[in-house]
Amino acid sequence: QVQLVESGGGVVQPGRSLRLSCAASGFTFSSYGMHWVRQAPGKGLEWVAAIWYDGSNKYYVDSVKGRFTISRDNSKNALYLQMNSLRAEDSALYYCARDPRGSGWWGFDYWGQGTLVTVSS
Amino acid sequence: DIQMTQSPSSLSASVGDRVTITCRASQGIRDDLGWYQQKPGKAPRRLIYAASSLQSGVPSRFSGSGFGTEFTLTISSLQPEDYATYYCLQHNSYPLTFGGGTKVEIK
Repeated sequence: QVQLVESGGGVVQPGRSLRLSCAASGFTFSSYGMHWVRQAPGKGLEWVAAIWYDGSNKYYVDSVKGRFTISRDNSKNALYLQMNSLRAEDSALYYCARDPRGSGWWGFDYWGQGTLVTVSS
Repeated sequence: DIQMTQSPSSLSASVGDRVTITCRASQGIRDDLGWYQQKPGKAPRRLIYAASSLQSGVPSRFSGSGFGTEFTLTISSLQPEDYATYYCLQHNSYPLTFGGGTKVEIK
């Protein structure tokens, strides 16, 4: 069955960096687009970034452009989110989610359980 | 960016009630809309895709409708396990945007 397992979260000071990972299994990872979605404590869902099946196209919400980078390694069935210049408002539970198609954006049909990022001095 | 206005933000209903949640898009999004359910401490799960198609494994009491700018999620007979927060998501254009959520509580 489809499994997405995030890791890499933690407590980090403002201005520092963190790299999140998502290990995928149970499906042909290289055929699907992938996303990161976040949820601040007690708040709603916010889409953060997307990457097409082959890594050829990447998209970001404006608030993270220039600071976050989404990438993937299809040989390792892994998705990443490099987060630089972190701010307090980036504190959230970060979910990895699968797009039901390889390119474009079609929503999220499977989600991981999330990894918590706390930005605090 | 496309804004998704979801209403109500919360509602209180009894088991067996019919529940309706609405999402309005700030511009037309065809049927590029999904509905998600999230229970406390859990990841969201998709209930409806393409505005009205039921995700595999989701009970038939859930249904979706709409096209363009107005969308509805209906629970025909609310069950105890349906108490949760529901979100709509537009994926017509990026950035993908969610509605603010509707918390369904026990009456």
